[in-house]
Amino acid sequence: AQSVAQPEDQVNVAEGNPLTVKCTYSVSGNPYLFWYVQYPNRGLQFLLKYITGDNLVKGSYGFEAEFNKSQTSFHLKKPSALVSDSALYFCAARRDTGGFKTIFGAGTRLFVKA
Amino acid sequence: DGGITQSPKYLFRKEGQNVTLSCEQNLNHDAMYWYRQDPGQGLRLIYYSQIVNDFQKGDIAEGYSVSREKKESFPLTVTSAQKNPTAFYLCASKLAGRYEQYFGPGTRLTVT
Repeated sequence: AQSVAQPEDQVNVAEGNPLTVKCTYSVSGNPYLFWYVQYPNRGLQFLLKYITGDNLVKGSYGFEAEFNKSQTSFHLKKPSALVSDSALYFCAARRDTGGFKTIFGAGTRLFVKA
Repeated sequence: DGGITQSPKYLFRKEGQNVTLSCEQNLNHDAMYWYRQDPGQGLRLIYYSQIVNDFQKGDIAEGYSVSREKKESFPLTVTSAQKNPTAFYLCASKLAGRYEQYFGPGTRLTVT
């Protein structure tokens, strides 16, 4: 069965420090991987995706993520956190062929303290 | 939230009543999706539709129904058969050939 795991329910970081939100996946075939962000009582916003090519992908608002096939991970990173980055972050994955479903992780809440 | 609208933002219903949640998109996207979000569980797929007049059940379709009569509209009906309907419902759409989904602002349904 396909799955996405976000091992941390919550991540706390001080403003200006680097942040990492972890994600591991289990998807048959080649995975397509995504990060989305959700602010309170709002829909999800797409941040970035990995489809193929360079393992380091850059996205919106200064976020980036690194695809590591051997570790089946796709961690979200930002060099310098902002208070406004505080939100709920979802990692998601789908198969490259034969499927239309995207599987979402349970989410990680990021708190950035001023 | 792009060009996807969901209405209403908050909805309150009595147990035993059916309720329909609206989802409209003006992005000319082909595929549309309905998800349910519960605290700590991420998003679970209820139904999805790749083209007009066609839709498939997702992982938790029991107690829900949908229609896709127009490309821009994908309403979700929560029936009285859904045992625990109180949740945050998210509609999403996707352009053919692309992989990322675009989400509406959500509808919070409370059934008492």
